[in-house]
Amino acid sequence: DVKVTQSSRYLVKRTGEKVFLECVQDMDHENMFWYRQDPGLGLRLIYFSYDVKMKEKGDIPEGYSVSREKKERFSLILESASTNQTSMYLCASKRIGSYEQYFGPGTRLTVT
Amino acid sequence: GEDVEQSLFLSVREGDSSVINCTYTDSSSTYLYWYKQEPGAGLQLLTYIFSNMDMKQDQRLTVLLNKKDKHLSLRIADTQTGDSAIYFCAETNLNSGGYQKVTFGTGTKLQVIP
Repeated sequence: DVKVTQSSRYLVKRTGEKVFLECVQDMDHENMFWYRQDPGLGLRLIYFSYDVKMKEKGDIPEGYSVSREKKERFSLILESASTNQTSMYLCASKRIGSYEQYFGPGTRLTVT
Repeated sequence: GEDVEQSLFLSVREGDSSVINCTYTDSSSTYLYWYKQEPGAGLQLLTYIFSNMDMKQDQRLTVLLNKKDKHLSLRIADTQTGDSAIYFCAETNLNSGGYQKVTFGTGTKLQVIP
């Protein structure tokens, strides 16, 4: 079974803090994604990565950056957290050419 | 850009059929998906349909695609309390070049009443 894990289930951070969200997948998938999920808005793509050291902006990249130094790990960075970044963050991965994305359990981030 | 819309909430009684509807705007969609998100969990692919199909059945699940109206539905027969979840419709276009972006709907929260 594909396993996608996220470093934390719940996080509480203060405005202005730098926040790291980590995602690890164990199936050697090339593609990895970060989404945020908000009620009534569904999932919105923040950033994705085709492969190691590659990254592309999604629909809402402002205020975020990413890092992919190893194939299995994709990190989402909030350089200076703000209250409007309070959300559920979901990581996903998939193999190139495949149609199915595998999701992690999510990190619920609260910025106060 | 692409848009995928769903109603936000559906309530059914246990044993009844549930029908969750979705409309999309991208006429070039190649794959259309239904994902399920149980409480406290990530999304899990439930089923998918190719754009050249009208219907797909998988045990209690039936997916209907009306390509002319850009309408996708998911029917769950004999709905159980374990079906209570948020259901996301999604679509992707494999012919768009580069990364094949998946566009997700807003999600429909299905509540099953015992």
